[in-house]
Amino acid sequence: LAKTTQPISMDSYEGQEVNITCSHNNIATNDYITWYQQFPSQGPRFIIQGYKTKVTNEVASLFIPADRKSSTLSLPRVSLSDTAVYYCLNGGASGGSYIPTFGRGTSLIVHP
Amino acid sequence: DAGVIQSPRHEVTEMGQEVTLRCKPISGHDYLFWYRQTMMRGLELLIYFNNNVPIDDSGMPEDRFSAKMPNASFSTLKIQPSEPRDSAVYFCASSSLAIRASSYEQYFGPGTRLTVT
Repeated sequence: LAKTTQPISMDSYEGQEVNITCSHNNIATNDYITWYQQFPSQGPRFIIQGYKTKVTNEVASLFIPADRKSSTLSLPRVSLSDTAVYYCLNGGASGGSYIPTFGRGTSLIVHP
Repeated sequence: DAGVIQSPRHEVTEMGQEVTLRCKPISGHDYLFWYRQTMMRGLELLIYFNNNVPIDDSGMPEDRFSAKMPNASFSTLKIQPSEPRDSAVYFCASSSLAIRASSYEQYFGPGTRLTVT
């Protein structure tokens, strides 16, 4: 069962860049790394996914080192609306783990 | 696409009653997941289906819980009889390994908030 480790909480201020790092100690060769965002009273929302190096979309960037034992979600210039819980997972690809384990996530609070 | 649709959005029932939660996945998705979220236990996977077939139900808490997927566009999660400790938000999510590189690119519904008194 793929498991991850990430900080329980983080605080930031509007306009800052936030980096949340996740450890993927049990990552399998075929596993993808996926990040989700969850606002209160809503379901998790897919943010970004990658296999190696760097992936960027309109919401965030994802950095994955060569050994793939960790990943870093980077949120540029956060706003109050980025206050949410962020989850990292690894798995989901053919030949890898299909059982998503969300863990407790990282609760990000953005202050004015 | 309308996204994943769940019904009802809220359900309040008395202990011992049967509860049925419904989910319509995104058209074309071949994976469907049922999750439960509570403050105490976080977000837990209950069961998932691939092409309408249950693949792993190891997260289903006990025999009172059952899930079906009679076709690609509909799934149910049933609790019979319900107990107060079943109170939680239940999410349905769908994904496609045929379209995306990973089945973990999931799209969640709005959830059903279940309260058992």
